[in-house]
Amino acid sequence: AQSVTQLGSHVSVSEGALVLLRCNYSSSVPPYLFWYVQYPNQGLQLLLKYTSAATLVKGINGFEAEFKKSETSFHLTKPSAHMSDAAEYFCAVRHSSASKIIFGSGTRLSIRP
Amino acid sequence: GAGVSQSPSNKVTEKGKDVELRCDPISGHTALYWYRQSLGQGLEFLIYFQGNSAPDKSGLPSDRFSAERTGGSVSTLTIQRTQQEDSAVYLCASSSDRGPNEKLFFGSGTQLSVL
Repeated sequence: AQSVTQLGSHVSVSEGALVLLRCNYSSSVPPYLFWYVQYPNQGLQLLLKYTSAATLVKGINGFEAEFKKSETSFHLTKPSAHMSDAAEYFCAVRHSSASKIIFGSGTRLSIRP
Repeated sequence: GAGVSQSPSNKVTEKGKDVELRCDPISGHTALYWYRQSLGQGLEFLIYFQGNSAPDKSGLPSDRFSAERTGGSVSTLTIQRTQQEDSAVYLCASSSDRGPNEKLFFGSGTQLSVL
């Protein structure tokens, strides 16, 4: 069975500080991994995805994530937080042969001035 | 249309009533998903369509929930005899590629409130 765990339902960082949002997956084989973002009063949109082409994936708005098979992790990072990054972030996983995309419980990111 | 459209955007109903939620996916998208987002919870998978068939409906919480898709396009999620625990935002998403490049496009959701 596949699942995804996001550690920390709420993360708060200062503007300009490093952003680190954690995601761990459970899967018998390396799956497809995604990060989606939901800005206030907007629908979810894809931030980035891992498709086994490269372990370090770059997404929109300066975010990136690194796939680490040994740690079964796909943490999302951004070197310097901006006020506009305040949003809900969801990690998601899908096994290549499965039908559905499973989402984590989400992490709300707040940015302090 | 330009994006995934869901209607109504808000629905308030009384406990025990039936409700229908509609999703209009992006034209040409063959895959369609329904998710439920409750307050403080993540996205809970409900059902997935490929064309008009539903290969995976494992997330439907009970037999009060059903969904159909016609013409490979519009989908309707029906909840019978609604309960207060059904209150949530129901999200629909569609995609055109189920492979490694799959990208879900989400609608704005239907906020369902059961009184």
